[in-house]
This record gives sequence, C-alpha cells and structure tokens, in this order.
Amino acid sequence: GEDVEQSLFLSVREGDSSVINCTYTDSSSTYLYWYKQEPGAGLQLLTYIFSNMDMKQDQRLTVLLNKKDKHLSLRIADTQTGDSAIYFCAESMSYQKVTFGTGTKLQVIP
Amino acid sequence: DGGITQSPKYLFRKEGQNVTLSCEQNLNHDAMYWYRQDPGQGLRLIYYSQIVNDFQKGDIAEGYSVSREKKESFPLTVTSAQKNPTAFYLCASSIRGSEAFFGQGTRLTVV
Repeated sequence: GEDVEQSLFLSVREGDSSVINCTYTDSSSTYLYWYKQEPGAGLQLLTYIFSNMDMKQDQRLTVLLNKKDKHLSLRIADTQTGDSAIYFCAESMSYQKVTFGTGTKLQVIP
Repeated sequence: DGGITQSPKYLFRKEGQNVTLSCEQNLNHDAMYWYRQDPGQGLRLIYYSQIVNDFQKGDIAEGYSVSREKKESFPLTVTSAQKNPTAFYLCASSIRGSEAFFGQGTRLTVV
C-alpha cells in the first residue's frame, strides 16, 4: 500500500530557509501536495506538483520532486514566525484517495 | 461561498454514548474523507467515500460508522465500541484523486 514518511520536527531561525522533506513509496503517484496546519485548525493546501514536474516555485515556496528516489521537499525562503505550523506531505493517483504523511512540525525561532 | 463545514467545533461525550459528527460540502466533490488526529501525530484515515452510497474503511475504522446518502454529506458516528475516542477529527473532500479541501475540525472529548 501507499506510505508517506516525514521527519517529525524542524527548528529554524527567523530569516533562514526551511527545508521539509518527504518520501513516498507509490511510484504511480500522480499528484504530490504540501499542506499547512495551524494549531486547532484544518489543513490548508499550500502547493502541489504533478509527478511529471521536477520543480515548482510559488513566491517563497519551492517544491522539488525527485521521482527516481520518490523524494519530495518543500523549501520556505526567508522563514517567518507566521510559518510556524505542521506541514503535511500527501500523494494521490488519479481517481484514488489522498494519502498523508505524519506531518513535520516547524518551529521558527525569532 | 463554496466550502466544507464541520460541526460542532467542540463536542463532549459521556462514556458509552454514540455521537455523530457532521460534515457538509457544497463544492460538488465526489470524494469525502474522515481523518483522526491525535496530539503530536499525523492524520489517520478512518473512512472514505468515492461516490454516493459507497464507502470504504480506512486504516482505523473500528468503532466508527459512516453513511453517504447525499453527495454533500458524510456524517461520522463515533460508537461506544471506540475505546479511545478523544481526538481531533477532520473531514475533507476532493474531486477524486485531486487535492483535498478540509473542514476546520471537531474536537471530541470523552468526559
């Protein structure tokens, strides 16, 4: 079955870049997503990438996909205290359910 | 505005009672999902439904039940058979295989 793994915790200083990593097992994944969860709230979609892409940039966010190694990363440039949250990686195939990783808690130190 | 709504935001249950969590969406999405989140842990899939009148068990379905009589609605019942129901419950919907949109969650506490 599908499996998505992430490290549990990341701490960075304000202004530095954050890199959150994710590995997945299903080579048939079509879409890969990054979600953000603030305390006591639902998840918000940050960005996504199709499996036929290597990179996607959206303002401070850069997503890198290494399909050969089944590795996805999210880079947040100039990390701010408002970026402190839990970040979830997720994957899906067309017309199949979405599978989420365990989430990485990002702590930004002022 | 289109969106997905969970209610109530907070719910308290006595031991031995069944409770039902509501999830409604007006996004015209075919697929709907229920997840459980425990403190410091990721999302665990309870049930999902790809189409009306059909649903499948997720990874932790024991002690839970669902129905999908309407496209817009996917209520979750936490039964007395669920031994440790205190958690944060998240409902989501999607066009099948595409990004999921989440509700704001229901925090269930057993008292």
